[in-house]
Amino acid sequence: DQQVKQNSPSLSVQEGRISILNCDYTNSMFDYFLWYKKYPAEGPTFLISISSIKDKNEDGRFTVFLNKSAKHLSLHIVPSQPGDSAVYFCAAGSIFGNEKLTFGTGTRLTIIP
Amino acid sequence: DARVTQTPRHKVTEMGQEVTMRCQPILGHNTVFWYRQTMMQGLELLAYFRNRAPLDDSGMPKDRFSAEMPDATLATLKIQPSEPRDSAVYFCASGLGEGGQDNEQFFGPGTRLTVL
Repeated sequence: DQQVKQNSPSLSVQEGRISILNCDYTNSMFDYFLWYKKYPAEGPTFLISISSIKDKNEDGRFTVFLNKSAKHLSLHIVPSQPGDSAVYFCAAGSIFGNEKLTFGTGTRLTIIP
Repeated sequence: DARVTQTPRHKVTEMGQEVTMRCQPILGHNTVFWYRQTMMQGLELLAYFRNRAPLDDSGMPKDRFSAEMPDATLATLKIQPSEPRDSAVYFCASGLGEGGQDNEQFFGPGTRLTVL
């Protein structure tokens, strides 16, 4: 039972354009969400997070949007750069779940120069 | 430069052999997590510890996997006996145990395990 789903295994975007990565969840108890970025042969690194009391959080070129009613969040990267090519994981947690995070299967983003 | 370290980085073994993976969490972090990355499931949580006490190992096949924290600087994940289906990348992560969106986990580089 995949509680966090990233339905697009891969995405290709032209350099300079906007990249939009999507994530859906099924557990309404999740109340915070994080995005991680992973390069080959490295561990995932934290990118940006959002609490369920907000619908948007922005950090430089990265913005995460949360639609609680649709149980959907998205990560926007603009403008996309070649260094953004990586696998992106969406993760969700609950204050009732201690520090446990539930991760999605990841989306491989390729930025085309 | 505080990092989570994992050894070995790569391990090739034969079916039936014991495998031990080691992790050194970031000093001062009180939570440690073991994940397995597979194509189908993404990052699966196998086990996690807070202040060295195991809190959840429900994601781990109990008959062959075991996770321990002998001290605050070492976490181990052991597979005995190993099977080809255990081939995956195993990540260790540590964190400060803060709740909410500040619950950032810091990942090690992973151990790539291949069981022949």
